[in-house]
Amino acid sequence: AQSVTQLDSHVSVSEGTPVLLRCNYSSSYSPSLFWYVQHPNKGLQLLLKYTSAATLVKGINGFEAEFKKSETSFHLTKPSAHMSDAAEYFCVVTTVNQAGTALIFGKGTTLSVSS
Amino acid sequence: DAGVIQSPRHEVTEMGQEVTLRCKPISGHNSLFWYRQTMMRGLELLIYFNNNVPIDDSGMPEDRFSAKMPNASFSTLKIQPSEPRDSAVYFCASSFILGQANEQFFGPGTRLTVL
Repeated sequence: AQSVTQLDSHVSVSEGTPVLLRCNYSSSYSPSLFWYVQHPNKGLQLLLKYTSAATLVKGINGFEAEFKKSETSFHLTKPSAHMSDAAEYFCVVTTVNQAGTALIFGKGTTLSVSS
Repeated sequence: DAGVIQSPRHEVTEMGQEVTLRCKPISGHNSLFWYRQTMMRGLELLIYFNNNVPIDDSGMPEDRFSAKMPNASFSTLKIQPSEPRDSAVYFCASSFILGQANEQFFGPGTRLTVL
């Protein structure tokens, strides 16, 4: 079975400091992994995705994530936080069942950025 | 491309009334997903379609909920009768899936309030 765990429900950083949002996954096969961002009162937007190519994935707005199979992790990072990064972030893993494939969303991590 | 289109954007109704949410996926996508988001439960997958066929409806909360996809460019999610606990933001997403799950593109959501 596939599952995803976001280790922090809330992360607070100061503007200009690094961001780390942690995600661990469980999968019985080689998964595809995604990070989505949701700004207040908005829909979800894809930040980046890993699909078995390079393990270090670069996304939009300066975010990147590293796929570490040995640690079953896919943590999201950014060197320097900006106020506009305040949002909710979802880590997502693919799942496969008899009928097809779908995505499993983590519970989300709320990122707060203070000035 | 206009992206995923959802209507209405906001819906306020009274308990017991029928509610119909609509979604137009991105042209060329073969999969469509309905999600519900609340503060208490986060983002929940309700149902997804592949090539207009419902693949997994295990997330549909109860028989009051039904979803249809009569063609590749249109889907509805119906709640009949509606209850206050159905109040949430309902998202539709579409994707092109070939062999493995791919990124999903989300609509702006429908904010449903049941009084």
